[in-house]
Amino acid sequence: QQQVKQSPQSLIVQKGGISIINCAYENTAFDYFPWYQQFPGKGPALLIAIRPDVSEKKEGRFTISFNKSAKQFSLHIMDSQPGDSATYFCAAPYSSASKIIFGSGTRLSIRP
Amino acid sequence: KAGVTQTPRYLIKTRGQQVTLSCSPISGHRSVSWYQQTPGQGLQFLFEYFSETQRNKGNFPGRFSGRQFSNSRSEMNVSTLELGDSALYLCASSLGQGAQLYGYTFGSGTRLTVV
Repeated sequence: QQQVKQSPQSLIVQKGGISIINCAYENTAFDYFPWYQQFPGKGPALLIAIRPDVSEKKEGRFTISFNKSAKQFSLHIMDSQPGDSATYFCAAPYSSASKIIFGSGTRLSIRP
Repeated sequence: KAGVTQTPRYLIKTRGQQVTLSCSPISGHRSVSWYQQTPGQGLQFLFEYFSETQRNKGNFPGRFSGRQFSNSRSEMNVSTLELGDSALYLCASSLGQGAQLYGYTFGSGTRLTVV
């Protein structure tokens, strides 16, 4: 069973700081690595995704960094705000099927 | 544009009963995937439907089944409910088969509690 390993499990960051969440994946035949954000009582929502023809993708305060040789990718949230407090999931395509495997999630809390 | 609609939002069932959950995808989306979310196991893939056919299936027992209708709406059924089936069941719609190409849009889920 292919896995996506996500760390840390929980993270507390001061307002204005940088939040960093890491993921490692196993072999995959597809090149698409998304991050999802989930607020309590809601389903996950696509936050940002990268295709590894580039090593970094930035959208506003959110950046994905991708290291294909190490099979790792990370989410950086710059100038973290209390509204960013949520659970974040990385995901990777399953190697042999058109489905997504999710990491175990990181509960992020931003202190005012 | 309406999002993914899941009904009901909350459900309480007794062990041994069966349950049917419904999902209406975003208009124009033809793929529907189902996930089970629990605190211990996280988000686990149940199955994916595209053009009324099951395309992929996760590692769940046969008590979990689903179907998709011609209008892309989907239902999942769980028979002989067990306490461990208590979870948030999420439906995700995608424009086409393969979320790696199109990305998922999730509904808010159905919270199932088995007592």
